[in-house]
Amino acid sequence: RKEVEQDPGPFNVPEGATVAFNCTYSNSASQSFFWYRQDCRKEPKLLMSVYSSGNEDGRFTAQLNRASQYISLLIRDSKLSDSATYLCVVAERGAGSYQLTFGKGTKLSVIP
Amino acid sequence: NAGVTQTPKFQVLKTGQSMTLQCAQDMNHEYMSWYRQDPGMGLRLIHYSVGAGITDQGEVPNGYNVSRSTTEDFPLRLLSAAPSQTSVYFCASSPRENYGYTFGSGTRLTVV
Repeated sequence: RKEVEQDPGPFNVPEGATVAFNCTYSNSASQSFFWYRQDCRKEPKLLMSVYSSGNEDGRFTAQLNRASQYISLLIRDSKLSDSATYLCVVAERGAGSYQLTFGKGTKLSVIP
Repeated sequence: NAGVTQTPKFQVLKTGQSMTLQCAQDMNHEYMSWYRQDPGMGLRLIHYSVGAGITDQGEVPNGYNVSRSTTEDFPLRLLSAAPSQTSVYFCASSPRENYGYTFGSGTRLTVV
């Protein structure tokens, strides 16, 4: 089975802190990469796609290293509302279509 | 747009019963998938579809059937419920390959 491995967490950080999540994937042919967030008892929601050149969306920065098969997510100036589980997701082409493989997630708690 | 709508939100079944989990999307997305999420595990793909009339198996298809007669609807049928199928089920859709998926709010299923 193709694997997507994430930091086990949980991460407990104070408001305003910078926190980084890491993720490795086993399939070198993987094509697309995403970070999702999932609040307790809710559905996963797309946070951002991850591009080879790296990309930033406000306080969030995602990086991809294809050679090392490594993805990261950096959150700056953490807010209480950032508390959630962050899922690393890798897409690769299967027999009929591309399929998503999810990591188990890293739980973040931002503390006042 | 309602996005991805799943019904019911909660369901309790007895072992051996059958039922259908409904999923509908109003975004004209070609790609649709069903996932299950269990404690301590990442989301696992059950079945997926790349368009009306086309379905295929994912990682954990046993005990489930799907059909895709229209672009909008992608129901998941449990043939003979077992306690091992107790889980949270998510339906998701995407407009094209290598693009993020939008998830429904989930169905919490308990099989007793």
